[in-house]
Amino acid sequence: KQEVTQIPAALSVPEGENLVLNCSFTDSAIYNLQWFRQDPGKGLTSLLLIQSSQREQTSGRLNASLDKSSGRSTLYIAASQPGDSATYLCAVPSGTYKYIFGTGTRLKVLA
Amino acid sequence: NAGVTQTPKFQVLKTGQSMTLQCAQDMNHEYMSWYRQDPGMGLRLIHYSVGAGITDQGEVPNGYNVSRSTTEDFPLRLLSAAPSQTSVYFCASSYSRGRYEQYFGPGTRLTVT
Repeated sequence: KQEVTQIPAALSVPEGENLVLNCSFTDSAIYNLQWFRQDPGKGLTSLLLIQSSQREQTSGRLNASLDKSSGRSTLYIAASQPGDSATYLCAVPSGTYKYIFGTGTRLKVLA
Repeated sequence: NAGVTQTPKFQVLKTGQSMTLQCAQDMNHEYMSWYRQDPGMGLRLIHYSVGAGITDQGEVPNGYNVSRSTTEDFPLRLLSAAPSQTSVYFCASSYSRGRYEQYFGPGTRLTVT
């Protein structure tokens, strides 16, 4: 059964720091992995989708890597800003039709 | 292109009442799903659909009903609301199952008293 873990659960950093968020999964037979951002009281916004054949995907200051063999993905945020404060979730497909989500990392970037 | 829309944004129900949460997408996506999000439990799949006329259960289907008569719409029905159904409900869609990016609606915050 696929399980997804995100550590740490919460993170507080000063503005300008580069930071790494972690996502671990137990079943490496995945098609892809998706990272989302969720602002308080809002829906999920897709940040990056990284396919199983890719090792990295970049969008602006965000870079996601995927290592299927070790069951890990990292989301790297460069030069963090207060506007990056949100909860970040990762999700992987499980079986043919389902997605399994981690419980998220709550990020606070201090001005 | 509105993406995934959900109505209402907020709802308060009394125990035993029924209601329908609406979800629509305008991206011609095959796959649509409903999740509930609860503190400490993350997102859990309630029901999903892989096309018009085809639905199936997710992890936590009890107390909920769905149908998919068109590609665009995927309503979620609460048959007899219970306080345990107090949650935030999200609808999501993607082009197809498993391999494509998921898009989420803004959510419906439901309180059952």
